Amino acid sequence: NAGVTQTPKFQVLKTGQSMTLQCAQDMNHEYMSWYRQDPGMGLRLIHYSVGAGITDQGEVPNGYNVSRSTTEDFPLRLLSAAPSQTSVYFCAAGYSYNEQFFGPGTRLTVL
Amino acid sequence: GQQVMQIPQYQHVQEGEDFTTYCNSSTTLSNIQWYKQRPGGHPVFLIQLVKSGEVKKQKRLTFQFGEAKKNSSLHITATQTTDVGTYFCASGSQGNLIFGKGTKLSVKP
Repeated sequence: NAGVTQTPKFQVLKTGQSMTLQCAQDMNHEYMSWYRQDPGMGLRLIHYSVGAGITDQGEVPNGYNVSRSTTEDFPLRLLSAAPSQTSVYFCAAGYSYNEQFFGPGTRLTVL
Repeated sequence: GQQVMQIPQYQHVQEGEDFTTYCNSSTTLSNIQWYKQRPGGHPVFLIQLVKSGEVKKQKRLTFQFGEAKKNSSLHITATQTTDVGTYFCASGSQGNLIFGKGTKLSVKP
């Protein structure tokens, strides 16, 4: 089992560009989530999903969209990238919001 | 909204010394989770505490949940260089998992 996989590992964008960060899990977990991690800020929840077709906002949802068409996949979309979105992004999956399994992360730089 | 405050932000210890990080909340927590993140890595789940006054041990790590369920601690006995990393507490409620800002532990050999 691969667990939680994320692509790409690194990405550089220009301000205003859009992109999708991919997240997939093979553990059949219903709950998936996206976090961003910035120095000194810990992990902040962006969006989460409790199952296919259901998503909700976390602590810092502005500038990000998500969808959950399957149990396995939970992509995160940046519609118009801004320098403030430079961060490390982690996707996680679990039976619920307890005991989350994290992916390896995507390091995003917005110029 | 729910917040968890974690102290200290940094801790430098000599190998063999003990280490403790604390997590505090102004509200009653339904549960507390602890994660470890190695430098350059991703957070890894360590444990979850649910009951008031609960104490759990994993080898040299001892986790406690306060009687009032408003605080928690992680204690490492006789630190080793393999313990380096950032330790996060987190608490879940209504689908949200809120993390503390973490305690970064460095261990000098």
